[in-house]
Amino acid sequence: DAKTTQPTSMDCAEGRAANLPCNHSTISGNEYVYWYRQIHSQGPQYIIHGLKNNETNEMASLIITEDRKSSTLILPHATLRDTAVYYCIVRVEIPGNAGNMLTFGGGTRLMVKP
Amino acid sequence: KAGVTQTPRYLIKTRGQQVTLSCSPISGHRSVSWYQQTPGQGLQFLFEYFSETQRNKGNFPGRFSGRQFSNSRSEMNVSTLELGDSALYLCASSLGRGTGRNTIYFGEGSWLTVV
Repeated sequence: DAKTTQPTSMDCAEGRAANLPCNHSTISGNEYVYWYRQIHSQGPQYIIHGLKNNETNEMASLIITEDRKSSTLILPHATLRDTAVYYCIVRVEIPGNAGNMLTFGGGTRLMVKP
Repeated sequence: KAGVTQTPRYLIKTRGQQVTLSCSPISGHRSVSWYQQTPGQGLQFLFEYFSETQRNKGNFPGRFSGRQFSNSRSEMNVSTLELGDSALYLCASSLGRGTGRNTIYFGEGSWLTVV
């Protein structure tokens, strides 16, 4: 899977949008961008994923650049409960029973402050 | 729909003992994978099972093993425990077919402390 680069940490004011960047300059055309977050002592929580187009769900929006070499996760109105480590991961699309595994980097530690 | 369930949530073992951790995937999911998380190494892939067969394996010693049952439930076993095996062990499940499109969901993990 392609390697990702994320800032080690970020701060965000409560109620403001949190924009978390991720670089994946070696991404291939069949690789998806996935975002997870991990709140202390809990399992990683799936947030959103995308291939080419921007995506939005009830938790967040994912903006992928046209060349797909970077993406941004947007939490529109951050709350204190959004304080967590956010992981950006790229996964390859392989037809058939080729396997499911994720390669985690260090992620971004987002601190939402009052 | 119930999520991925792991048991036990917390356990303490003595060095040299063995431990078995259990995972029930989301209903309908046939792929189960295991991860180890430590402060020093982060989240690392252990192995993945699909239809009772190990499909992928990470870079861990043979003391770490697993299996999957016909109902997709999975267990992992660590024998001859070492202090460095103290970690959060995470189970994850997905539908299993294809990779990029099928989301992987994680359980809350089992905290293992080796003393």
